[in-house]
Amino acid sequence: AQKVTQAQTEISVVEKEDVTLDCVYETRDTTYYLFWYKQPPSGELVFLIRRNSFDEQNEISGRYSWNFQKSTSSFNFTITASQVVDSAVYFCALSEYSGGSNYKLTFGKGTLLTVNP
Amino acid sequence: DGGITQSPKYLFRKEGQNVTLSCEQNLNHDAMYWYRQDPGQGLRLIYYSQIVNDFQKGDIAEGYSVSREKKESFPLTVTSAQKNPTAFYLCASRLTTSGGRQYFGPGTRLTVT
Repeated sequence: AQKVTQAQTEISVVEKEDVTLDCVYETRDTTYYLFWYKQPPSGELVFLIRRNSFDEQNEISGRYSWNFQKSTSSFNFTITASQVVDSAVYFCALSEYSGGSNYKLTFGKGTLLTVNP
Repeated sequence: DGGITQSPKYLFRKEGQNVTLSCEQNLNHDAMYWYRQDPGQGLRLIYYSQIVNDFQKGDIAEGYSVSREKKESFPLTVTSAQKNPTAFYLCASRLTTSGGRQYFGPGTRLTVT
């Protein structure tokens, strides 16, 4: 069975600090996708990134960057120069093919990030 | 604008009553999903449907039922058999070719007293 672990339950930083959210996953499949979603206080999940298992290139998008390492089964997320608007719960998720045209998403328990002014 | 609509945002019910949560999407996605979220927990899959008139149980289907009569709609009924129905419920949809990415609705917060 697949599993996603986000060991950091809560993180609190001061604005402009860099912060890294950890994600470790377990899967037996060779083909899978990894995701990060942001959940602001409103509750809706906002998609941030998708990475497939064959692409280990790190990605940067503005202040966000992701480090994918298959050797350690990790997909960590870094926010550079954090801002108050980054305060949210962040979920890491793993998608595995489960037959037909279906992919099943397994979520970690999330990391609550609070950025203080 | 294309997206997923869940209504209402907040729902209150008395214990012992069935309640149906609405989920509508105009993204022309084939697959739809229902998740439950409890405080401090990740999302847990209740039911999912890949095509109209077909659906499968997820990890925590007991006490819930669904229907998929139209591609756009995937309502979830929380029955009186669900022992702890108070939670935040999220609906999602997925395009078959999206490699697993799911698009989420705004959620419905159900409180049962």
